[in-house]
Order: sequence, then C-alpha cells, then structure tokens
Amino acid sequence: EAGVAQSPRYKIIEKRQSVAFWCNPISGHATLYWYQQILGQGPKLLIQFQNNGVVDDSQLPKDRFSAERLKGVDSTLKIQPAKLEDSAVYLCASSLPQGFRETQYFGPGTRLLVL
Amino acid sequence: AQSVTQLDSQVPVFEEAPVELRCNYSSSVSVYLFWYVQYPNQGLQLLLKYLSGSTLVKGINGFEAEFNKSQTSFHLRKPSVHISDTAEYFCAVSEPGGYQKVTFGTGTKLQVIP
Repeated sequence: EAGVAQSPRYKIIEKRQSVAFWCNPISGHATLYWYQQILGQGPKLLIQFQNNGVVDDSQLPKDRFSAERLKGVDSTLKIQPAKLEDSAVYLCASSLPQGFRETQYFGPGTRLLVL
Repeated sequence: AQSVTQLDSQVPVFEEAPVELRCNYSSSVSVYLFWYVQYPNQGLQLLLKYLSGSTLVKGINGFEAEFNKSQTSFHLRKPSVHISDTAEYFCAVSEPGGYQKVTFGTGTKLQVIP
C-alpha cells in the first residue's frame, strides 16, 4: 500500500514570496490533515478535511494560509505571503473517516525555510 | 481543552538498557492517547494507542505504554533499546467525539548510545 506522498520535500524562499505544497493521501482515506511542525515543537494542526469539506481550520492563519482539497483526494496548502516564522516542516496525514479510533498516517513532510 | 506535557526534551540511554519516556496529559473528559515516533527527515509513525480496555498497551518495535488515569500519565517504556530506536517520540491526546483533533506534545529525543 502506497503511503502519503508530499512534494516538494524541501523549499527555500524569501519572505513575502508565495509557496505551495502538495499532498496525495492514502487511497480511500477520506480524512486529510495538514500540520505545521516548528523546530523543537510537536506538530500543530492547521486544517482538517473530511472529503472536500473543512471540519477544523481554527489554527490556520487565514490571512496568509489557504488550503483546498479538490475532489476529495489531493490537497494543496499555500502560503502567501510567507513570513520568517513560517519556517517549519509541513506534514500531511490521512486517515479513514471513522473518527478518533483511526490511525493517522503521515507523509515525509515538506521542509520550508523562509529567508 | 486538552494538552500534553512531555517532561524530558532529551533522553540519552545506553544500548540494551531500559528506557521510559514520560507523558502527562490534561483533559476535562475521557481521552484517547497515542505515541508516535519520528525518525530523522521522516513523518510520524504510530507506535501504539490507548482507546479503552486494558491500561497496558503494547505497540510496535517492543514498546509498551501504561495508561494511569489517576496520575493522568501515559509513559512509554522499552526494556532494552537498540541503536535503531534513536528518534524523536511524541505523545498525543485526542478527545472522543468530533473529528479526532489530536494534540501533540513537544517531543522527546531518545539518543541511544552504543
């Protein structure tokens, strides 16, 4: 079974530039998550999708971050414009839709450095 | 609101020695608890989870954890560590209901010394 795919693996940009990350979840996983992991901290949930719909985006900085999940499969996370404090690893995860009992499967992450 | 505290940011241990990584949680309701491992430059992988039932949970790679409701703890243990266990370990908590929002701790780096 293929795992969660993410691209790019690494990205370096200057502040005020835009950047986009892509995630392809495990086939059949209706729930998709984007996390931000700042160095030395645990992952923080940015946004959670159930199929196409957003079920939690309470910690997403909506003035600069946006995410979409077209057709309930792939997802993109965008930052526009980027700030220095956005330097982090962005993790995508997916799970079956049965809620809290289901294991989240994580991708390898995209490491972003904002200069 | 739920929260997780991992008391040790780094734990060095000699190979073949036992190890315990500590995790305490705070929640106003019943919780579900998880331990994830993150190897360098990789995503997180589930080690084990407690949902209900037996308080002693066995996971992959020889790890186990014990849920202690009175002490609000969920410590991770392994009787004999291997070099390959060197990684960062995250404790996480989720409250029932809703859409499985998981809150992670700040992580504990386990360094196994040959």
